Amino acid sequence: EVQLVESGGGLVQPGGSLRLSCAASGFTFSGYEMIWVRQAPGKGLEWVSWLSGSGSTIYYADSVKGRFTISRDNAKNSLYLQMNSLRAEDTAVYYCARVLVERYFDSWGQGTLVTVSS
Amino acid sequence: QSVLTQPPSVSGAPGQRVTISCTGSSSNIGAGYDVHWYQQLPGTGPKLLIYANTNRPSGVPDRFSGSKSGTSASLAITGLQAEDEADYYCQSFDSSLSGYWVFGGGTKLTVL
Repeated sequence: EVQLVESGGGLVQPGGSLRLSCAASGFTFSGYEMIWVRQAPGKGLEWVSWLSGSGSTIYYADSVKGRFTISRDNAKNSLYLQMNSLRAEDTAVYYCARVLVERYFDSWGQGTLVTVSS
Repeated sequence: QSVLTQPPSVSGAPGQRVTISCTGSSSNIGAGYDVHWYQQLPGTGPKLLIYANTNRPSGVPDRFSGSKSGTSASLAITGLQAEDEADYYCQSFDSSLSGYWVFGGGTKLTVL
């Protein structure tokens, strides 16, 4: 069974940093593209960052470009999101999801809440 | 403002049929990219409901169906049940500069 478990969320002050992790199990992690998607309180879904199975190709949404860094450790079956220079508008539940080649997300984690506030 | 447009809410009585529309443009749905649908129950992460316009993953009841035409897509739910009350999101891919993976704003389904 595919399982994705996010961790690392919490309360952080504006301008601060946080590193999210996503532990994957139940599938060959290195064979899949992965993505971070976030959902602000009471709002819809927004993709944040995507990377290829090897980690060699990366995309960022304009809203986080230059501040967030996505990475993966295929030996540890883990996906990461390093978030720097956090802003109030980054407050959201962050989900990691597995991406299929047809560009949809077939498995999602339960999410981790990031709150940026002073 | 979301790239794909969905109605904020729809409602229906148990047993009825409801549809949720998803309208895009020539750079996403109209460009031939597939539409996918997700169901999000209160307090949980999204769950894949329909992929590639019309396909149901294993375990999704056949009461849920999807269609696509031109720059729009639709999700239909027949035989409404109380447990269908959730938020529903459409998703596609966009070839514009600021695009890539795009979502609708979500539709809240209320079962009366």
